[in-house]
Amino acid sequence: KQEVTQIPAALSVPEGENLVLNCSFTDSAIYNLQWFRQDPGKGLTSLLLIQSSQREQTSGRLNASLDKSSGRSTLYIAASQPGDSATYLCAVERDNYGQNFVFGPGTRLSVLP
Amino acid sequence: DAGVTQSPTHLIKTRGQQVTLRCSPKSGHDTVSWYQQALGQGPQFIFQYYEEEERQRGNFPDRFSGHQFPNYSSELNVNALLLGDSALYLCASSFDYSGNTIYFGEGSWLTVV
Repeated sequence: KQEVTQIPAALSVPEGENLVLNCSFTDSAIYNLQWFRQDPGKGLTSLLLIQSSQREQTSGRLNASLDKSSGRSTLYIAASQPGDSATYLCAVERDNYGQNFVFGPGTRLSVLP
Repeated sequence: DAGVTQSPTHLIKTRGQQVTLRCSPKSGHDTVSWYQQALGQGPQFIFQYYEEEERQRGNFPDRFSGHQFPNYSSELNVNALLLGDSALYLCASSFDYSGNTIYFGEGSWLTVV
């Protein structure tokens, strides 16, 4: 059974800091890994998708890496801003049908002005 | 273009009652999935609909059922509600198959008392 964990559970940083969020999964047989953002009481927004054959993806100040063999992914946020405050969720796709994700519990990020 | 829309946004039900939640996918999307998100946890996959058929199902009891209509909209039905069913129910849509961008609605908050 696939299990996804995320460390840390919560993080508070001053504006401008670079930070790293960690995600681990127990079964390396995944199709893709995605990072999502969730604002309080809202739905999820896809940030980055890493195909199983890729090692990293970048979008603006965000960079995500994937190491399937070790069952790990990291999300790097550069020059953090108060608007980055949200919960960040890591999810692995179990097959190629799409949308069948196993989510981690998330990391709650607060960026202080 | 409207994204994924869900209704109702909030509702309160009594134990033992039944509830129906509705989802309209993003325009053109043919695949719809439902997730349950308890407070402080990551979403859990309930099931996925494609071409009006339940294609995949997570580890949820038969009390949870669904339907997809010819226009790709979907309903989630939960019978014999339990207190533990209280959660945010999220609908997600995409074009079929992994790797396509997935869009989530803002969810329906269900409270069972």
